[in-house]
Amino acid sequence: DAGVIQSPRHEVTEMGQEVTLRCKPISGHNSLFWYRQTMMRGLELLIYFNNNVPIDDSGMPEDRFSAKMPNASFSTLKIQPSEPRDSAVYFCASRLQGAKNIQYFGAGTRLSVL
Amino acid sequence: SQELEQSPQSLIVQEGKNLTINCTSSKTLYGLYWYKQKYGEGLIFLMMLQKGGEEKSHEKITAKLDEKKQQSSLHITASQPSHAGIYLCGADGSGNTPLVFGKGTRLSVIA
Repeated sequence: DAGVIQSPRHEVTEMGQEVTLRCKPISGHNSLFWYRQTMMRGLELLIYFNNNVPIDDSGMPEDRFSAKMPNASFSTLKIQPSEPRDSAVYFCASRLQGAKNIQYFGAGTRLSVL
Repeated sequence: SQELEQSPQSLIVQEGKNLTINCTSSKTLYGLYWYKQKYGEGLIFLMMLQKGGEEKSHEKITAKLDEKKQQSSLHITASQPSHAGIYLCGADGSGNTPLVFGKGTRLSVIA
């Protein structure tokens, strides 16, 4: 299997611009997670989906962040408008629910907002 | 909410030396997961521990979960440059929840 695929790997944008991060989970996995990693705060859960349905979005920083999962093989995380404090590495992970809760991570998207 | 504290925050060891990384939870763990992250890459799953007193090994890496299921250690024997990276522990509070992670331990192995 190809693993979790994220795109783009790197994104540099200017403050105020819209940013869209993409994720393709492992085929057959039915849970998907978006995390954000910074030096100060470590790895934080933003939102997760079970069977394409958002279950908990309490980690989403504010209304500027939104996430969708239109089908089992694709999810997006959107930031609009972006701010410099959004600069971080964003990870997507997927899991087969019930299978020992092992989450498999993508390579991440490194976002820099200037 | 569950919190994980890892120690040390960073570690520099000479190649061939043994080392231990600790992970302490604020609550009893349902499951404890160890991951490794190389710079610029995602997290790679290493091992999962569920039972009190459980110990697992993979190549030269051994992980243990204490009897009370609130503390885990990761031990590397005869470290190699390939062991360098960030080691993160993740906790599962109830069996079906997203993992909560510690801030990681940055390991450097020098020749």
